[in-house]
Amino acid sequence: KAGVTQTPRYLIKTRGQQVTLSCSPISGHRSVSWYQQTPGQGLQFLFEYFSETQRNKGNFPGRFSGRQFSNSRSEMNVSTLELGDSALYLCASSSNRGGSNSPLHFGNGTRLTVT
Amino acid sequence: GQQLNQSPQSMFIQEGEDVSMNCTSSSIFNTWLWYKQDPGEGPVLLIALYKAGELTSNGRLTAQFGITRKDSFLNISASIPSDVGIYFCAGQLRGSQGNLIFGKGTKLSVKP
Repeated sequence: KAGVTQTPRYLIKTRGQQVTLSCSPISGHRSVSWYQQTPGQGLQFLFEYFSETQRNKGNFPGRFSGRQFSNSRSEMNVSTLELGDSALYLCASSSNRGGSNSPLHFGNGTRLTVT
Repeated sequence: GQQLNQSPQSMFIQEGEDVSMNCTSSSIFNTWLWYKQDPGEGPVLLIALYKAGELTSNGRLTAQFGITRKDSFLNISASIPSDVGIYFCAGQLRGSQGNLIFGKGTKLSVKP
């Protein structure tokens, strides 16, 4: 079974631009979560989607948004980029069967550099 | 917000040694997870724990869900060179879909 796929792997943008990152979950997984990883703050939760609905949201500004499609693929968007948005953005999927907690499986991330 | 204290921050291993790391929290978690991250890759799930007191093994790795639900440990027995990397603990609150609270990581390196 293919793992979580994230595209692109690397991205360089300038301040003020916007960016869209893509994530394809493991086949059959309907829950997709996004995380930001930086050396200073570590791994921080952005949001989680299930059946095209955002169910949970972390403590990030409104410039960070996401969506999920009917095939469970997800995108996240960051508008008006700031230098501090430079990070590894990780997507994770889970089966989340029956409402019980099920482990997250991560992709290899998109490395975003803002100049 | 919730925080996880993971220790040690870093450690050096010699092949064949046993390794131990742990995480503690001020919050009660419903699930504890352990991940390993290699450079340029995403975290890979090692062990998932769902019940207080649960002890689970995955090859040379053993992890336990603390009885108070506020802590967990990971042991690696007879370490090998490919064990180097960063190990993260993560806790999940009941009903907090997709939202894991991560520790800052334990970096395992080879003794010079």
